[in-house]
Amino acid sequence: EVQMLDSGGGLVQPGGSLRLSCAASGFTFSSYAMSWVRQAPGKGLEWVSGISGSGYITYDADSVKGRFTISRDNSKNTLYLQMDSLRAEDTAVYYCARVTGDYTQIDSWGQGTLVTVSS
Amino acid sequence: QSVLTQPPSVSAAPGQKVTISCSGSSSNIGNNYVSWYQQFPGTGPKFLISENNKRPSGTPDRFSGSKSGTSATLGITGLQAGDEAYYYCGTWDSSLSAGVFGGGTKLTVL
Repeated sequence: EVQMLDSGGGLVQPGGSLRLSCAASGFTFSSYAMSWVRQAPGKGLEWVSGISGSGYITYDADSVKGRFTISRDNSKNTLYLQMDSLRAEDTAVYYCARVTGDYTQIDSWGQGTLVTVSS
Repeated sequence: QSVLTQPPSVSAAPGQKVTISCSGSSSNIGNNYVSWYQQFPGTGPKFLISENNKRPSGTPDRFSGSKSGTSATLGITGLQAGDEAYYYCGTWDSSLSAGVFGGGTKLTVL
């Protein structure tokens, strides 16, 4: 069974940093590209970042470019999102997502982890 | 403001058919696959339609997807009360080199 367990969310002050993790199991992790998708309270889905199966190719939404870094450790079956210079508008539930095809063909989602940026 | 445009809400009676549109441009829908997701309040999204019109295992055949030019459509027939949810379209944008989603459509079964 495909499982992805998101963790690392919490309360952080504006300008602070946080690292999200996504522990994957039930599939060959390195064979799949992955994405992070977020959803602000009461709002719609927003694609954040994507990474190839090898980890060599990454993409970021303009809203997080230069502040967030997606990475993966295929030896640990884990996906990461390093979030720096956090802003109030980054407050959202962050979902880890397994991709088939391009980075928005998402066939499995983590349970989500809440990030709150507030002073 | 989302790159892809969806109606904020649609409604129909049980047993009826409803369609949800998703409008984009040549840099996204026009040249890339569209996917659709269903989300109930308080839960994560569920993969509903892949590659414009393919149903992943678990998606009932009451749900269908289509694409024409720079627009895509999700169709739901035989509406049930359990279909009340938010629906999102998504695709890759080749100009932005980023994924994009529509703003979401709330389906109400009257």
